[in-house]
Amino acid sequence: DQQVKQNSPSLSVQEGRISILNCDYTNSMFDYFLWYKKYPAEGPTFLISISSIKDKNEDGRFTVFLNKSAKHLSLHIVPSQPGDSAVYFCAASLNSGNTPLVFGKGTRLSVIA
Amino acid sequence: ETGVTQSPTHLIKTRGQQVTLRCSSQSGHNTVSWYQQALGQGPQFIFQYYREEENGRGNFPPRFSGLQFPNYSSELNVNALELDDSALYLCASSLGGSGRAQNTQYFGPGTRLTVL
Repeated sequence: DQQVKQNSPSLSVQEGRISILNCDYTNSMFDYFLWYKKYPAEGPTFLISISSIKDKNEDGRFTVFLNKSAKHLSLHIVPSQPGDSAVYFCAASLNSGNTPLVFGKGTRLSVIA
Repeated sequence: ETGVTQSPTHLIKTRGQQVTLRCSSQSGHNTVSWYQQALGQGPQFIFQYYREEENGRGNFPPRFSGLQFPNYSSELNVNALELDDSALYLCASSLGGSGRAQNTQYFGPGTRLTVL
């Protein structure tokens, strides 16, 4: 049973446009969410996170939105750049100390120049 | 500040052998988590070590074991290797503690294990 789902395996976006990556979760106990970016042959790189007490967190070109009632979060990248092309993983955890991250399967983003 | 490092980068083993993977945590971090990432999947939690004690385990058999040392570096040992153990093994470090809210985990580059 997959608790964190990224239903789009891939996404292509034109350079300069907005990229929107989506993530759904089933466990209502999750209350801390993260996005990681992964290039081939590298480990995941932390991008941005959000606690369940917020519905939006912004860091430069990256914004994460959380809709708790829908158990849905999204990552917006504006404007998209060719260097953003990577696999993006959504992860969730219980906000109670050292708890493991539960990952989705990832979405491969391709930003076309 | 030194990031998370892992060794070796790549490893090829045969079925039934044993393997040890190593991880150095980021400076100031006291928690190490290990994940297995199979092709086309997201990372799956294996176990976590906090201050040298196992602090949670995922759905992996006992032949997956680990250690954390006083300097918070860590080892992942896998005995009796099976073909399905072929994957990218990721180590992540974080700063944990009693009453501390979830801390972001920072990943190393991973070790690619191939079992033939």
